[in-house]
Amino acid sequence: AQTVTQSQPEMSVQEAETVTLSCTYDTSENNYYLFWYKQPPSRQMILVIRQEAYKQQNATENRFSVNFQKAAKSFSLKISDSQLGDTAMYFCAFMKHYSQGAQKLVFGQGTRLTINP
Amino acid sequence: GAVVSQHPSRVICKSGTSVKIECRSLDFQATTMFWYRQFPKQSLMLMATSNEGSKATYEQGVEKDKFLINHASLTLSTLTVTSAHPEDSSFYICSARSSRMIRDTQYFGPGTRLTVL
Repeated sequence: AQTVTQSQPEMSVQEAETVTLSCTYDTSENNYYLFWYKQPPSRQMILVIRQEAYKQQNATENRFSVNFQKAAKSFSLKISDSQLGDTAMYFCAFMKHYSQGAQKLVFGQGTRLTINP
Repeated sequence: GAVVSQHPSRVICKSGTSVKIECRSLDFQATTMFWYRQFPKQSLMLMATSNEGSKATYEQGVEKDKFLINHASLTLSTLTVTSAHPEDSSFYICSARSSRMIRDTQYFGPGTRLTVL
């Protein structure tokens, strides 16, 4: 079974700073996907970024980028120029490749990120 | 695109009654929908996976007779909590996935807060 671990329950930074959230996972699969989801106080889950395991290039979405280290099974999220609206719970998630049918997401415990003005 | 709605957003019911929660994909056809439960300050726990036109697959420890899931069309899945008790009070979230879109991505509804008195 796959497991996802987020070792930082809470983090807090000043607005405009850069922050990195950690995530490690355990799997014997070679083909899979990794995600970061954001859950603001509204509790709506929002996809931040996704990474295919077969791609060596790290995914980026504007101010959000990942550091994907497949051998180390590490998938950290970097938020640059942090904004107040980035305050949320962030979940790292793993999913096996869809070629084997609809696959479920396995979530980490979450990191509560607070951006201070 | 990829909007998922849930109804109701909040519901309060008496112990022993049944409550139905609807999950709709508004602008795409969802071949698979997922139901999660989230306790305060915790991660999402997958309850069941439902494919259109077939029986739901429940996660270990989830009572299928208590949490009835119906996925009768490609845009609607329902979760019915039968004979609800106070311990069923929680935040319930659905997500939807399309075989025609980016197949590795789940899109989440805004959640339903259930309170059982």
